[in-house]
Amino acid sequence: NAGVTQTPKFRILKIGQSMTLQCTQDMNHNYMYWYRQDPGMGLKLIYYSVGAGITDKGEVPNGYNVSRSTTEDFPLRLELAAPSQTSVYFCASSRMGAGELFFGEGSRLTVL
Amino acid sequence: QKEVEQDPGPLSVPEGAIVSLNCTYSNSAFQYFMWYRQYSRKGPELLMYTYSSGNKEDGRFTAQVDKSSKYISLFIRDSQPSDSATYLCAMSGRLNQFYFGTGTSLTVIP
Repeated sequence: NAGVTQTPKFRILKIGQSMTLQCTQDMNHNYMYWYRQDPGMGLKLIYYSVGAGITDKGEVPNGYNVSRSTTEDFPLRLELAAPSQTSVYFCASSRMGAGELFFGEGSRLTVL
Repeated sequence: QKEVEQDPGPLSVPEGAIVSLNCTYSNSAFQYFMWYRQYSRKGPELLMYTYSSGNKEDGRFTAQVDKSSKYISLFIRDSQPSDSATYLCAMSGRLNQFYFGTGTSLTVIP
């Protein structure tokens, strides 16, 4: 059982470039989330989705976009990368009404 | 006031010690309480999950929830060097919205 899978694990971008972080889960979870984690700052919610076709902003959505065309996939798009987007990004998923949240291994992004 | 408060540490203990990690929270609507373990350069791994108040034990780990005091704890007995990691508390209500502490860094010294 793969759980939540993220790709790529590492990426270096130049300022102004764009890229997509991929996330897929095989647990048939309704809810999916994107977080970023910066040293000493904890996890901050970027976007979340309660099901296919439905997405909503979290705490820090600026500079990012998401889509949810299937239950399994929840890609995060970075447009016009900035140094402030240097971070570790985690995708997570959970069942509706459940308290357990499962994370992927993370994607470490550096913007130079 | 933050939704969840967690002492960042760092905490350093000798092998075999009992470790106590704690979080406080402000939202009385929280029903689900979780502890995650995060090794360096890895994703958070769900360690303990508790619904509502009470205790839950799993091997060397015990999670306690006191909703009247809005206080949760994680105890690690007979701590091992492999327990060295950052521990994150998390909680949620009915709407699948999760709130996290900033994490406590633990080092167990052999």
